[in-house]
Amino acid sequence: AQTVTQSQPEMSVQEAETVTLSCTYDTSESDYYLFWYKQPPSRQMILVIRQEAYKQQNATENRFSVNFQKAAKSFSLKISDSQLGDAAMYFCAYRSAFAGGTSYGKLTFGQGTILTVHP
Amino acid sequence: DAGVTQSPTHLIKTRGQQVTLRCSPKSGHDTVSWYQQALGQGPQFIFQYYEEEERQRGNFPDRFSGHQFPNYSSELNVNALLLGDSALYLCASSYMGQGALEETQYFGPGTRLLVL
Repeated sequence: AQTVTQSQPEMSVQEAETVTLSCTYDTSESDYYLFWYKQPPSRQMILVIRQEAYKQQNATENRFSVNFQKAAKSFSLKISDSQLGDAAMYFCAYRSAFAGGTSYGKLTFGQGTILTVHP
Repeated sequence: DAGVTQSPTHLIKTRGQQVTLRCSPKSGHDTVSWYQQALGQGPQFIFQYYEEEERQRGNFPDRFSGHQFPNYSSELNVNALLLGDSALYLCASSYMGQGALEETQYFGPGTRLLVL
């Protein structure tokens, strides 16, 4: 079974600064997808960024970028030029790409990291 | 373009009762997944419905059941409620039909269930 670990329960950053959230995962599969979701206090889970494991290039979405280290099974999220609206709980998630597997289709989430942004 | 919608937003039940939660997927999506999120925790996968059938299930007892309708909307039913069933229930929709390269799941706002 796959597991996802977020070792930072809480992080804080000053507005306009950069912060990096950590995520490690454990899997025996070679093909999979990784995601970062953001959940503000309003509780709607919002997709931030997605990474396909077969792609060596790190995904980027505006101020959000990832550092994907497949061999180390590490998937960190970097938020540049942090804004007050970035304050939320951030979840790292894993999904198998193997259509015949028993875990296909389900997202496995980490425990989350609460990000506080100070003005 | 409407996103994923869920109803009701909040619900209070007592132990032993039964509850039904509803989800309408994002336009163009054909797959619905349900997750349970305890306070301060990451969501846990309950099950996924595609083509009106349960195709994947997480480690949840049979008290949790679901249904998907021809219009792709879905219901989550929980029988014999326990105090531990109190949580945020999230619905996520995706497209897994013909030609789909990858199904990113998009979440609804959730239903907060409190069992007393």
